[in-house]
Amino acid sequence: EAQVTQNPRYLITVTGKKLTVTCSQNMNHEYMSWYRQDPGLGLRQIYYSMNVEVTDKGDVPEGYKVSRKEKRNFPLILESPSPNQTSLYFCASSSRTGPNTGELFFGEGSRLTVL
Amino acid sequence: GENVEQHPSTLSVQEGDSAVIKCTYSDSASNYFPWYKQELGKRPQLIIDIRSNVGEKKDQRIAVTLNKTAKHFSLHITETQPEDSAVYFCAATPYGNNRLAFGKGNQVVVIP
Repeated sequence: EAQVTQNPRYLITVTGKKLTVTCSQNMNHEYMSWYRQDPGLGLRQIYYSMNVEVTDKGDVPEGYKVSRKEKRNFPLILESPSPNQTSLYFCASSSRTGPNTGELFFGEGSRLTVL
Repeated sequence: GENVEQHPSTLSVQEGDSAVIKCTYSDSASNYFPWYKQELGKRPQLIIDIRSNVGEKKDQRIAVTLNKTAKHFSLHITETQPEDSAVYFCAATPYGNNRLAFGKGNQVVVIP
């Protein structure tokens, strides 16, 4: 089954404790991206990756890191989480070269709470 | 960069009536306009998209229209049903751009 898998789905952590949200897709997609969803703010892009070893900032990259060492995986790293990073996070992937050439497939989301 | 705005933020309709959501965009170079539907507690999913070389596209009860001159595009849902209740996100991006700018979303409530 074609899918984008995120882990963990739910996480409560404390300020400053490094965490990683993993994302894996099995569709051989080149393009992957992370979004955060907050009430009244819609979906805002954090980082995206066009292919292995190619990453770039989205609209709200501060406080986040990403890496793309393998085509299927695109982890989101919060080195020192803060309460303003409490949010619902979505990983997404797309075929070809970007979101304007193919459908974005979203993972189920990861709800993160930073205390 | 591209800025996408959606109106109204919340729309309530009686079951069987039509719903229309409008989005405006700022970048005249944008040429791809998808709509995503997010049901409560679920992930966004693409329901329809349109490219700038087309003025209208239909898929059963949903349709999207594009006005490039005015830089707006709209989602039309006819004969609404309770399962149409969701948040709808519009988005826009220029060709060759690697970023998809989403609007803030419209909550559609279909009243049985």
